[in-house]
Amino acid sequence: NAGVTQTPKFRVLKTGQSMTLLCAQDMNHEYMYWYRQDPGMGLRLIHYSVGEGTTAKGEVPDGYNVSRLKKQNFLLGLESAAPSQTSVYFCASKRRGGEETQYFGPGTRLLVL
Amino acid sequence: GQSLEQPSEVTAVEGAIVQINCTYQTSGFYGLSWYQQHDGGAPTFLSYNALDGLEETGRFSSFLSRSDSYGYLLLQELQMKDSASYFCATPGAAGNKLTFGGGTRVLVKP
Repeated sequence: NAGVTQTPKFRVLKTGQSMTLLCAQDMNHEYMYWYRQDPGMGLRLIHYSVGEGTTAKGEVPDGYNVSRLKKQNFLLGLESAAPSQTSVYFCASKRRGGEETQYFGPGTRLLVL
Repeated sequence: GQSLEQPSEVTAVEGAIVQINCTYQTSGFYGLSWYQQHDGGAPTFLSYNALDGLEETGRFSSFLSRSDSYGYLLLQELQMKDSASYFCATPGAAGNKLTFGGGTRVLVKP
């Protein structure tokens, strides 16, 4: 099993450009999450999904959109990137009922110039 | 809302013991998790306390006191590879999502 994978690993964008980050998991987990982590700080939840076709806002959703068309995939979109969105983005997943344990992907480093 | 407070940094030598404290304020409480993250890596799950008391997993132990809204992660027999950031986290009422503390950076010196 690959676990949780993220594409791409690194990306540089210019202000105003758009992009989509892809997260895939092969553990048949119901729940998936997108976090951002800024230098020296903790993880902040952007959006999450409790099942295929459902999404919900997290702590810092502004400037991002998400979609969960398939159970194994969770996409994070930036429609018009801003320098404040420079960060490391982590995707995570967990099984229903597994409140304590989330499984994280390797992260995507995004630089917005 | 939920908030978790941790010290920002701890330094210790190899072989020593380090205790990382986590105090929380939550509207309802459903347990405390601990995650480890090495520089440039992803967070990985270490332990979870649903009830008061001590949970031991090898060199790492985690403790919870719900009456004191407090928990800690104990790292024993420190090794260089334990240099990492450690985060406490708690799930919300529905168990759908975790709220993370700001993390404690542990630096192990020879």
